Amino acid sequence: ILNVEQSPQSLHVQEGDSTNFTCSFPSSNFYALHWYRWETAKSPEALFVMTLNGDEKKKGRISATLNTKEGYSYLYIKGSQPEDSATYLCAFPGGGADGLTFGKGTHLIIQP
Amino acid sequence: NAGVTQTPKFRILKIGQSMTLQCTQDMNHNYMYWYRQDPGMGLKLIYYSVGAGITDKGEVPNGYNVSRSTTEDFPLRLELAAPSQTSVYFCASSYSDYGYTFGSGTRLTVV
Repeated sequence: ILNVEQSPQSLHVQEGDSTNFTCSFPSSNFYALHWYRWETAKSPEALFVMTLNGDEKKKGRISATLNTKEGYSYLYIKGSQPEDSATYLCAFPGGGADGLTFGKGTHLIIQP
Repeated sequence: NAGVTQTPKFRILKIGQSMTLQCTQDMNHNYMYWYRQDPGMGLKLIYYSVGAGITDKGEVPNGYNVSRSTTEDFPLRLELAAPSQTSVYFCASSYSDYGYTFGSGTRLTVV
């Protein structure tokens, strides 16, 4: 069973501030790293799938970086808005079609 | 384009009853998955399928069964429901290594 750790568990950020949080995963046999955004009462929505060391992906004010050698990924949100409030999940494939192993998520609350 | 459709959205079962959670996708994805979400825990994989006629166990398969007779459908069967199966269930599908598309979830309570 793979271990995918996310920190912090929860985060309160003032509207307009930028923030970031971490996903740690096994660095051996790396295949891909997924980020999802999960709003309350909705289903998880894919943000990024990252495969290359040093990769950086961006979607609006949200970006992510990947370090496969040391086994971590950062998710950054620039200029947080109330609609960014959600749980952000990272997930790591077991290899092939074994399904994703998900972290417990970082619960982000943006305070107006 | 409906994506991944799950039914029902809510259900209350008595201990020992059985039910089937339905999942249908219209994106022609080969891969389909069932996860459960418990408070304070990450999503846990129950079963997955890589194509019609092929299924395999995930991390927490006990008490569940699945079938995949078509590319579109991946129902999850609960036999002899137990309180430990109270959870929120999510079906998802994907095309190869792309991100998953999740259904809206089924909130199941076993009493």
